[in-house]
Amino acid sequence: ELKVEQNPLFLSMQEGKNYTIYCNYSTTSDRLYWYRQDPGKSLESLFVLLSNGAVKQEGRLMASLDTKARLSTLHITAAVHDLSATYFCAVGHYSGGGADGLTFGKGTHLIIQP
Amino acid sequence: DGGITQSPKYLFRKEGQNVTLSCEQNLNHDAMYWYRQDPGQGLRLIYYSQIVNDFQKGDIAEGYSVSREKKESFPLTVTSAQKNPTAFYLCASSLEGFGETQYFGPGTRLLVL
Repeated sequence: ELKVEQNPLFLSMQEGKNYTIYCNYSTTSDRLYWYRQDPGKSLESLFVLLSNGAVKQEGRLMASLDTKARLSTLHITAAVHDLSATYFCAVGHYSGGGADGLTFGKGTHLIIQP
Repeated sequence: DGGITQSPKYLFRKEGQNVTLSCEQNLNHDAMYWYRQDPGQGLRLIYYSQIVNDFQKGDIAEGYSVSREKKESFPLTVTSAQKNPTAFYLCASSLEGFGETQYFGPGTRLLVL
């Protein structure tokens, strides 16, 4: 059974600081996704990571993937209040017969204070 | 505008009642998915479909049923067998291929009266 663990589950930080969210998964996977969810809203796709060593950046967010360690990180640089949200990582498998659903972590609730 | 629509936004279910949640997409995506989100939790996969007239159970399919008669539509029925249906239900779709992003609809909140 595939398990996805995120930590921390709750993070309060000040604007301007840097921090990293960690996502560990239990079995070999070929797809790692990061999503953002604002309160009461749906999920917004941030990154898709498909190979060992993959790194993607968008603004103040940077995601990386280490498939050997079964670890992905989401790094926040010089945080601003607008980045306050819940961040989910999700892991998927592609069976060859088609794209399967994703297994999600519990999410990291991030609050950025002025 | 291309996208995924879900209706209704809020749905109330009475004891013993079956209710159906609608999911429509005009993105020409092959694959569609249903997830359930409980407060403070991640999403859990209920059902998914890779092509029309075919679907597979996810991790928590008991008490739910789906159909995929059209490429654009993937309705979810919450049956009376689902004893704890109160949750936020999210529909997603994607192209059929390795590494394709799943895009999510706005969701339906189901509450039990």
